Amino acid sequence: GDSVTQMEGPVTLSEEAFLTINCTYTATGYPSLFWYVQYPGEGLQLLLKATKADDKGSNKGFEATYRKETTSFHLEKGSVQVSDSAVYFCALSDGGGATNKLIFGTGTLLAVQP
Amino acid sequence: EAQVTQNPRYLITVTGKKLTVTCSQNMNHEYMSWYRQDPGLGLRQIYYSMNVEVTDKGDVPEGYKVSRKEKRNFPLILESPSPNQTSLYFCASSLNLWLATNEKLFFGSGTQLSVL
Repeated sequence: GDSVTQMEGPVTLSEEAFLTINCTYTATGYPSLFWYVQYPGEGLQLLLKATKADDKGSNKGFEATYRKETTSFHLEKGSVQVSDSAVYFCALSDGGGATNKLIFGTGTLLAVQP
Repeated sequence: EAQVTQNPRYLITVTGKKLTVTCSQNMNHEYMSWYRQDPGLGLRQIYYSMNVEVTDKGDVPEGYKVSRKEKRNFPLILESPSPNQTSLYFCASSLNLWLATNEKLFFGSGTQLSVL
């Protein structure tokens, strides 16, 4: 079935460092791809999304490009801040088809130190 | 303010004692869902509801019940909790399934449940 694989954390970076969190997926169709973020003590929030190949989602300085050839949707940010410390979840859906849900990865904890 | 409200935020209980976790949304959303979050496993869907009186099983429904008598409320019921149901639970909603899976899910703040 459809699945999402994320790099294991925690990822520990210094402020202003470059961030990459890897995400690859397995899907039979043409899924929509998402990054959700969970700040400490809060629920998940949508960070960005892409619904077709070569689309780039972006928000708050984060970017991810839908790469069909490598089945990847890696999250990047050029300069992280302490306030970016959170758990990041990659997710996919088949757009409301057979799965009727979002399929989430295991999450990657990012800790940014001043 | 548009939001999904879960209660309680924290709950400690003992094996076998029935409990209910409430979820309410004020956005007139049709689609609602429950997830549990466990270390190393991410979020897994327990149950979902497409509309009033329409519910269906997710990936891990065993040991849980839900009901959808009103559009705004989607309680999660554990009739006889066991320690393996110790987890962080999230309720989520969206206007409809298409928007949930193409646009955005709105999440509550979570309920940390410990079953002793």
